[in-house]
Amino acid sequence: DAKTTQPTSMDCAEGRAANLPCNHSTISGNEYVYWYRQIHSQGPQYIIHGLKNNETNEMASLIITEDRKSSTLILPHATLRDTAVYYCIVRVAFADNYGQNFVFGPGTRLSVLP
Amino acid sequence: KAGVTQTPRYLIKTRGQQVTLSCSPISGHRSVSWYQQTPGQGLQFLFEYFSETQRNKGNFPGRFSGRQFSNSRSEMNVSTLELGDSALYLCASNWGRGNEKLFFGSGTQLSVL
Repeated sequence: DAKTTQPTSMDCAEGRAANLPCNHSTISGNEYVYWYRQIHSQGPQYIIHGLKNNETNEMASLIITEDRKSSTLILPHATLRDTAVYYCIVRVAFADNYGQNFVFGPGTRLSVLP
Repeated sequence: KAGVTQTPRYLIKTRGQQVTLSCSPISGHRSVSWYQQTPGQGLQFLFEYFSETQRNKGNFPGRFSGRQFSNSRSEMNVSTLELGDSALYLCASNWGRGNEKLFFGSGTQLSVL
């Protein structure tokens, strides 16, 4: 089962910041928070990930609370092309000889409105 | 650099048939994972291969199988197709070490009639 809770859907006005929350209250100390998004009928696209520090890249910022029980993905200036399903995932960083899998929940359907 | 390539993009089969889907990972990637996506169940992990060995497996029946070749390309096979196997099948790759992001292909849309 997914270890995260996200709102089912959100709207955001074009040009405004989109703030997508995620609760992961049972996260362990060695689990990372990943964000992916999926535009209809395409494969998920990596956005950003972090352990405990805030992270920023060319796509988004990730804010993780100090207790690590929740995080927020921020798209600073949302465009119509950011309309997608956004997935928040927590996973352990396995050692080389262990398998890996990402557990996807239902995600948040973000609609960017003109 | 080419991304993850999946073929075919669309496939139509009938119940009882079998199907083989192909995935070519990004050059240098040694781990290939497969996921099934349906409207009802969302994205579900099928299995992961690393250096030609299945390293991790999801909760799917034995009709779903896979393999990986020495060049890291992977195939998955579904035998005795059922209507419920209609789904988008996604392949993802990475180097297979520790904390890494996955790179996904565009998927194969399988319709079982």
